[in-house]
Amino acid sequence: GENVEQHPSTLSVQEGDSAVIKCTYSDSASNYFPWYKQELGKGPQLIIDIRSNVGEKKDQRIAVTLNKTAKHFSLHITETQPEDSAVYFCAASAGGSYIPTFGRGTSLIVHP
Amino acid sequence: GAVVSQHPSWVICKSGTSVKIECRSLDFQATTMFWYRQFPKQSLMLMATSNEGSKATYEQGVEKDKFLINHASLTLSTLTVTSAHPEDSSFYICSAGDSPNQPQHFGDGTRLSIL
Repeated sequence: GENVEQHPSTLSVQEGDSAVIKCTYSDSASNYFPWYKQELGKGPQLIIDIRSNVGEKKDQRIAVTLNKTAKHFSLHITETQPEDSAVYFCAASAGGSYIPTFGRGTSLIVHP
Repeated sequence: GAVVSQHPSWVICKSGTSVKIECRSLDFQATTMFWYRQFPKQSLMLMATSNEGSKATYEQGVEKDKFLINHASLTLSTLTVTSAHPEDSSFYICSAGDSPNQPQHFGDGTRLSIL
């Protein structure tokens, strides 16, 4: 089955800096890669996603890149703000599947 | 956008009690919903897939008789933790999507504490 590795497990940045979270996947059949943000005591919320026919996608301060050959994808957050502090999960799923495989999560801390 | 509502958000009860958690898709129909369990500072662990009108599919190691799932309509799935014990204390989260390979939308979770 699919295996998703996520790094780093903890990321601490100053407000205004950029943050990058990286994930790798093992199943070449995976073609859908969502990113979720989970705030304390809440369920994960989808923040951005990318499909395998696209190399990069951007939404305001958030961007995701995908390298299918290397089987890795990354989340980039620019101009970080304290409210960006949360746990971020990457995930991967293969065609026809409802079920994503999640990474272990990255705890992002943005210091004011 | 798609909204998934989960209720209750917090439950504290005595050991031996059965607890029911509801998961509703508010603005879309979901033939399939998912139940996850999350331990502190860990990722989501898929427990079972809830299928409307048929039996749930449980992941390896998840006790079917302990975690009863009912998906009686296209907008509601319930998870019942039967005869709960302290080791069942956890954060339970449901999700739903309106079609395969589309975003899963998560409820806000239920914090279950068994005394």
